[in-house]
Amino acid sequence: NAGVTQTPKFRILKIGQSMTLQCTQDMNHNYMYWYRQDPGMGLKLIYYSVGAGITDKGEVPNGYNVSRSTTEDFPLRLELAAPSQTSVYFCAGFGQGTEAFFGQGTRLTVV
Amino acid sequence: AQSVTQPDIHITVSEGASLELRCNYSYGATPYLFWYVQSPGQGLQLLLKYFSGDTLVQGIKGFEAEFKRSQSSFNLRKPSVHWSDAAEYFCAVPNYGGSQGNLIFGKGTKLSVKP
Repeated sequence: NAGVTQTPKFRILKIGQSMTLQCTQDMNHNYMYWYRQDPGMGLKLIYYSVGAGITDKGEVPNGYNVSRSTTEDFPLRLELAAPSQTSVYFCAGFGQGTEAFFGQGTRLTVV
Repeated sequence: AQSVTQPDIHITVSEGASLELRCNYSYGATPYLFWYVQSPGQGLQLLLKYFSGDTLVQGIKGFEAEFKRSQSSFNLRKPSVHWSDAAEYFCAVPNYGGSQGNLIFGKGTKLSVKP
């Protein structure tokens, strides 16, 4: 049982490049989330999904996009990378009792 | 809207000493409450949670937390800290105000442990 798996773990992008952060889960969570974590700022919600085919914006969605074609996969897309998107990104799924299960994170640097 | 405040950004304790990390929440009713721990380079792991009932909650790794309604607090404690407890700790409450179903996190408290 792998839980929530994120790839890649590290990535360096140049300004203007695009990339997709992958997130997959095998816990059958309907609710999935993308957070970004910046030093001293806690976690901010980027996008979320309540089930396959349903996504919506969170607190800081600008510059990102998501899709949810299956229950298992919830990729996060950066179309035009900017230095402000340098951060650590976490994918999470919610289980019973509102317990969140987190992936190990993707550390992204935009130069 | 509800919020979570962790007043201490960084705390340093000696190994073997006791620990208390503070968490205050803002919400009109009694919320669910969570503590998560993040070790360096890792994701967040649930330490413990409070839903209802006994206000003293036991978690993993020897941690406990006490819910105090009168103080709107949910402080995390450990009687004797180990070097492996060095990490960042986050308090969280559910986002009751929206349909997202997500958690709202405090800004975290970084714990350093002196030998």
